[in-house]
Amino acid sequence: DAKTTQPPSMDCAEGRAANLPCNHSTISGNEYVYWYRQIHSQGPQYIIHGLKNNETNEMASLIITEDRKSSTLILPHATLRDTAVYYCIVRAYSSSNTGKLIFGQGTTLQVKP
Amino acid sequence: KAGVTQTPRYLIKTRGQQVTLSCSPISGHRSVSWYQQTPGQGLQFLFEYFSETQRNKGNFPGRFSGRQFSNSRSEMNVSTLELGDSALYLCASSLGSTSSTDTQYFGPGTRLTVL
Repeated sequence: DAKTTQPPSMDCAEGRAANLPCNHSTISGNEYVYWYRQIHSQGPQYIIHGLKNNETNEMASLIITEDRKSSTLILPHATLRDTAVYYCIVRAYSSSNTGKLIFGQGTTLQVKP
Repeated sequence: KAGVTQTPRYLIKTRGQQVTLSCSPISGHRSVSWYQQTPGQGLQFLFEYFSETQRNKGNFPGRFSGRQFSNSRSEMNVSTLELGDSALYLCASSLGSTSSTDTQYFGPGTRLTVL
């Protein structure tokens, strides 16, 4: 699975959009971009995933650049409850990585009042 | 649909003891993966079970083992506990398909403290 690079920390004002970047310059054509978040000492929560088109769900939007070497997770109106560690993961199924997600250090997002 | 559940949520053991943790997946999910999370090493993959068989494993010593039952519930066991085994143990379930969009959903974790 490709390696991802994320900034270690970011701040965002409550009510503003939070834009979390992720670099995955070595991503392969069949690898998906996944985002999870982990609120302190809880299990990671699935947010969204995509391959090459932009994706949106009730939680967030995922923007993937045309060359697929980077992506941005957008929380449109951040609240204090969005304070968490956000993980960007890229993966494609193979028989050697079934059931396995590789987590990096993630980005700690602090939403401030 | 109920989410992934893990029991117990907290556990305190002493060195040398063994421990068994339990995970109940989302209904219909056949794959259960286990992870260890520590401040120093982050989230690390332990193993995955699918249809009662271990399908993948990470780089952990043999003291860490698991199993899966016919109803997809899974247990993991750690024998001869060491202080370094203190961690948050997470399980995640998924359908277990061979698709790259097979999404894992995590439980709340079991916090194990080894004294």
